[in-house]
Amino acid sequence: DAGITQSPRHKVTETGTPVTLRCHQTENHRYMYWYRQDPGHGLRLIHYSYGVKDTDKGEVSDGYSVSRSKTEDFLLTLESATSSQTSVYFCAISDQGEGGQPQHFGDGTRLSIL
Amino acid sequence: AQSVTQLGSHVSVSEGALVLLRCNYSSSVPPYLFWYVQYPNQGLQLLLKYTSAATLVKGINGFEAEFKKSETSFHLTKPSAHMSDAAEYFCAVGYYKLSFGAGTTVTVRA
Repeated sequence: DAGITQSPRHKVTETGTPVTLRCHQTENHRYMYWYRQDPGHGLRLIHYSYGVKDTDKGEVSDGYSVSRSKTEDFLLTLESATSSQTSVYFCAISDQGEGGQPQHFGDGTRLSIL
Repeated sequence: AQSVTQLGSHVSVSEGALVLLRCNYSSSVPPYLFWYVQYPNQGLQLLLKYTSAATLVKGINGFEAEFKKSETSFHLTKPSAHMSDAAEYFCAVGYYKLSFGAGTTVTVRA
């Protein structure tokens, strides 16, 4: 299995609080991704990174920010959580980002916002 | 622009029967296509990928998929279903950014 660790695995918090999810990899892959998974929508890309301090938005980026200060860590922040951000969040990594290189996924973080 | 449509959100098959999961894609460039499987409370695992080599792609656990450009399809099959195949399956298209289908849940009847 690809060396990807997501933390925390489960979190319950209240509306309006800040939340940070962490993705840590041991593969030295260039690309890292954050997705959210909701029933009926599959996985939707939130943000991705193509190198240290290099990030870009995905299709559902509103309300989320990311940071990557080291190759191995990619952080996802909800500045002020809302109930619509209750979801399962997955981190993925990919080598070099070239076509044909599959993404490998972590085990997910289940986030509930009350 | 790229997108994926998975036909059928739920498929039920008998053990030993053929599994067929349908995926149609749209892409403005020659596509890279993937099938992933997700077991409960786990992340996605790569089943197979198409990257413009052979049109018939073999993956893990006895699954295979055929790329048909004329039909913009990449359907997933397995000749004989096993109880362990019960999971959710996702088709995806893309280059370094992937677009995923909504998923198809497979249940296997004994």
